[in-house]
Amino acid sequence: NAGVTQTPKFQVLKTGQSMTLQCAQDMNHEYMSWYRQDPGMGLRLIHYSVGAGITDQGEVPNGYNVSRSTTEDFPLRLLSAAPSQTSVYFCGSRAPRGDNSPLHFGNGTRLTVT
Amino acid sequence: AQSVTQLGSHVSVSEGALVLLRCNYSSSVPPYLFWYVQYPNQGLQLLLKYTTGATLVKGINGFEAEFKKSETSFHLTKPSAHMSDAAEYFCVRFGNEKLTFGTGTRLTIIP
Repeated sequence: NAGVTQTPKFQVLKTGQSMTLQCAQDMNHEYMSWYRQDPGMGLRLIHYSVGAGITDQGEVPNGYNVSRSTTEDFPLRLLSAAPSQTSVYFCGSRAPRGDNSPLHFGNGTRLTVT
Repeated sequence: AQSVTQLGSHVSVSEGALVLLRCNYSSSVPPYLFWYVQYPNQGLQLLLKYTTGATLVKGINGFEAEFKKSETSFHLTKPSAHMSDAAEYFCVRFGNEKLTFGTGTRLTIIP
């Protein structure tokens, strides 16, 4: 079972460049989300989606865009990369039923912006 | 806002000793709580999840968590630490379609 797949695993960008972090899941989960992990701050929610065509902002959405055209995919776009976006990014998905259903995570993307 | 607070960003215990990692949540009914573990340079793995009505929840790798409504706590314990338990642990709360993470506790095991 593939679960949640994130690509790439590593990326280096120059300030001002744009890129898309890919996230795909094969569990037919309606809920998907993006987090960034920074030392001492835990994971902070960037954007999330409760189903295809629906997205919403999390705690730290500035500088990031998302779209959800299919149930399987939830890409995260950096429009103009900044050094403050250097972080490890995790995508997660969960089943829609029952609020105690856990989030399944991908293995992360380590992004460095110089 | 709903939140979780993890007390102690770093905890060190000797191999074989009791592990206790603390988590308190802001009051709400019902809370949907989880513990996740992150081993070095890896992703996040579910340790256990709270089930409504339970007071003691068992997870993987010998971990368990006790839910105390009167103390709004969901502390994680393991009777005997193993070297392989060295990792970062996150207490997580779900509410309003969002999972909120605590800031994490890094567990170090002393040989």
